[in-house]
Amino acid sequence: DIVMTQTPLSLSVTPGQPASISCKSSQSLLHSDGKTYLYWYLQKPGQSPQLLIFEVSNRFSGVPDRFSGSGSGTDFTLKISRVEAEDVGVYYCMQSIQLPRLTFGGGTKVEIK
Amino acid sequence: EVQLLESGGGLVQPGGSLRLSCAASGFTFSSYAMSWVRQAPGKGLEWVSGINSGGSTYYADSVKGRFTISRDNSKNTLYLQMNTLRAEDTALFYCARNLRRLDYWGQGTLVTVSS
Repeated sequence: DIVMTQTPLSLSVTPGQPASISCKSSQSLLHSDGKTYLYWYLQKPGQSPQLLIFEVSNRFSGVPDRFSGSGSGTDFTLKISRVEAEDVGVYYCMQSIQLPRLTFGGGTKVEIK
Repeated sequence: EVQLLESGGGLVQPGGSLRLSCAASGFTFSSYAMSWVRQAPGKGLEWVSGINSGGSTYYADSVKGRFTISRDNSKNTLYLQMNTLRAEDTALFYCARNLRRLDYWGQGTLVTVSS
């Protein structure tokens, strides 16, 4: 299975400041169909995960534009341009190139200072 | 509005069985693949099983031979039959839409395996 490694494990951010999370995969997530199957989820406290970004850099419906994704191959980044209080929770990256064996990163906990 | 509502969790003894359900609404259920993902207490996310719109099924190695995923398109419902449960199966089980892009998730149902 593809191993997804996220850093840092946790992040404490002042409101209004930027934040960045890294995700590295053990194999390239670039599929022969030209798409890169890397996703970002946010699990807010007490809630189920919600999709933020699909296929590296596409914001899902309703996701604020302060969230952006970038990267290619095996290295990916989620950036929050200006962190707000509602952004707290655990962020997960996920790969789905190796269907159906999806794997998730270990998570990055974001807190507000 | 897409909605997924899991049910069927509870406390079960090791070696026991449980069937989870996921009632779907707000979309054409029969046209979509569906997945089960679990989260052990205080831990991360683990894909468990998936089923495509044609009924082909897929399992994580950790549950293969013990869990069975199925769907009833006439009832817009996804199922997960769990047999020979172990303590390490204790988790919050989520259903999610799709196999590749898990775009909508339910709120989860808690399964506790303990004597």
